[in-house]
Amino acid sequence: NAGVTQTPKFRVLKTGQSMTLLCAQDMNHEYMYWYRQDPGMGLRLIHYSVGEGTTAKGEVPDGYNVSRLKKQNFLLGLESAAPSQTSVYFCASSYVAARLSQLTQFFGPGTRLTVL
Amino acid sequence: QKEVEQDPGPLSVPEGAIVSLNCTYSNSAFQYFMWYRQYSRKGPELLMYTYSSGNKEDGRFTAQVDKSSKYISLFIRDSQPSDSATYLCSPAGDYKLSFGAGTTVTVRA
Repeated sequence: NAGVTQTPKFRVLKTGQSMTLLCAQDMNHEYMYWYRQDPGMGLRLIHYSVGEGTTAKGEVPDGYNVSRLKKQNFLLGLESAAPSQTSVYFCASSYVAARLSQLTQFFGPGTRLTVL
Repeated sequence: QKEVEQDPGPLSVPEGAIVSLNCTYSNSAFQYFMWYRQYSRKGPELLMYTYSSGNKEDGRFTAQVDKSSKYISLFIRDSQPSDSATYLCSPAGDYKLSFGAGTTVTVRA
């Protein structure tokens, strides 16, 4: 059981470049989430998905897009990277069975992104 | 105003000391109160949670919630070097988690 995995682990982009971060989970979780973590800001929700084919905006969605074509995968895209998007990105997933299960999120190891 | 305010730290304590971590929150709808632990360069992992007001103990860890004052605490007894990590408080309600900025704790051997 790998849990939640993220690809890549590190990436450096130039302003204006695009990239896609991949999140995969093997726990058959319905819900998946993308967060960014910045010093002094805590974890902030970018987008989330409550099931295959669905996505919704979180707290800080601007500049990002997501897709959930398969239940086990959740992709985060940056179409035109900006220095303000330099951050550590975490993917998480959770069950849907009951409220506490939904709130118990399993996190991936993170992707460190630097935009120059 | 942030929805969750957490004492920023960092904290450095000798092995065996009691560690006290605190958060305040503003949303009275929060019902679950989670604590996540995050080791350096890793993702957060759920440490423990409480529901509504009261105390919950899990080994050396005790979580306290006072909903009347919107105050959350985590205590670590007999702290160990392996407890060195960043601790994130996370009050939750309506299927949504909010996170504090985290307090980094270092336990010196």
